[in-house]
Amino acid sequence: QVQLQESGPGLVKPSETLSLTCSVSAYSISSGYYWGWIRQPPGKGLEWIGNIFHRGATFYNPTLKSRVTISLHTSKNQFSLRLTSVTAADTAIYYCARSPSTAFDYWGQGTLVTVSS
Amino acid sequence: SYVLTQPPSVSVAPGQTVRITCGGNNIGSKSVHWYQQRPGQAPVVVVYDDSGRPSGIPERFSGSNSGNTATLTISRVEAGDEADYYCQVWDSSSGHPDWVFGGGTKLTVL
Repeated sequence: QVQLQESGPGLVKPSETLSLTCSVSAYSISSGYYWGWIRQPPGKGLEWIGNIFHRGATFYNPTLKSRVTISLHTSKNQFSLRLTSVTAADTAIYYCARSPSTAFDYWGQGTLVTVSS
Repeated sequence: SYVLTQPPSVSVAPGQTVRITCGGNNIGSKSVHWYQQRPGQAPVVVVYDDSGRPSGIPERFSGSNSGNTATLTISRVEAGDEADYYCQVWDSSSGHPDWVFGGGTKLTVL
């Protein structure tokens, strides 16, 4: 069973950079598929942040593109998210997920990141 | 960018059938996926590619897609179906790939 697990700081100061890692087990991220990040502000809906193809091509939500970087770390079977210049509006539960094509079939449990001084 | 529109909430009595809609421009030409999110949990796909059902998802969950509306149908609703439901599509009409979510629909079982 494929499993994903998010990790990273739960608290980030305004204007700083949010960094999260997704560790994948039972599937090699270099073998195929897209690997993505989705977030959910408290009490609100899901927002796609971006995906990275197993060969490295990246695709970002246009509303976040200027601040987002998603990278693969194949030796550790992980992929990561960096979001710069964060504000309180970036407070959310951040999920990592696998996308075989257009849907997301496996999700991490999510991690809450709060932006506050 | 492509927009998906869902009703904020629907309610249904146990044992009845509920339909949750997802509107989008010519959505019938796209593959629509539906996710169930129970409180405090990660989303789970319940219907993929308009009407496919992942293993482990009850046959009570079904989907359809035509024209400008996709529909998730839940038959013989149970208390455990109470959750938020999101539709999602992949869209490239803006010249780059986007994975787009609808705003979500809260299903209340009366």
